[in-house]
Amino acid sequence: GAVVSQHPSRVICKSGTSVKIECRSLDFQATTMFWYRQFPKKSLMLMATSNEGSKATYEQGVEKDKFLINHASLTLSTLTVTSAHPEDSSFYICSARFMGADYGYTFGSGTRLTVV
Amino acid sequence: GESVGLHLPTLSVQEGDNSIINCAYSNSASDYFIWYKQESGKGPQFIIDIRSNMDKRQGQRVTVLLNKTVKHLSLQIAATQPGDSAVYFCAEGTYGQNFVFGPGTRLSVLP
Repeated sequence: GAVVSQHPSRVICKSGTSVKIECRSLDFQATTMFWYRQFPKKSLMLMATSNEGSKATYEQGVEKDKFLINHASLTLSTLTVTSAHPEDSSFYICSARFMGADYGYTFGSGTRLTVV
Repeated sequence: GESVGLHLPTLSVQEGDNSIINCAYSNSASDYFIWYKQESGKGPQFIIDIRSNMDKRQGQRVTVLLNKTVKHLSLQIAATQPGDSAVYFCAEGTYGQNFVFGPGTRLSVLP
């Protein structure tokens, strides 16, 4: 149980275009999702916390107008990288908290974004 | 700010031996800790967690130990297998909120 499906797994886009990454909780309701960015051989860096039905909370230094987060339902959160630049190339990962007897946190499989 | 760090960036062990990965944390207010495994090109995979009211928790072939006195966390893997080769992250935080991840330790299992 407690699976988060993240799509796409890989995407290549041209500079200046926008890319949308989706994360869906398949068998549970995720009131809160977290979006991380990971550079090669580095740890995960929290970008923002997404709460269903409200505005996301961004970490310091993360441009909210560039990284648009929408959490319109209890099972779907999206991250849109707007006007992408090569420096936005990275591995983006979502995470959700699930409740119940086996509470914990589950991660999506990640999205490798390459901006050319 | 608060941080989580790992003593060893790399660890090589013989197949069949036990592995111990260590982690130091600095936020004494953290009450929830998690170990994750990440294979190349994939998202993190939850291994085991522990709350601050415990000092030991066991899973399948894995044991997490928490020493709040010295703010130290460790992950023990019994009978390490080739499939255990990955980068392991510890994370600290408060349950229900976001986490701070450590820099990661790469575990290499030698044949």
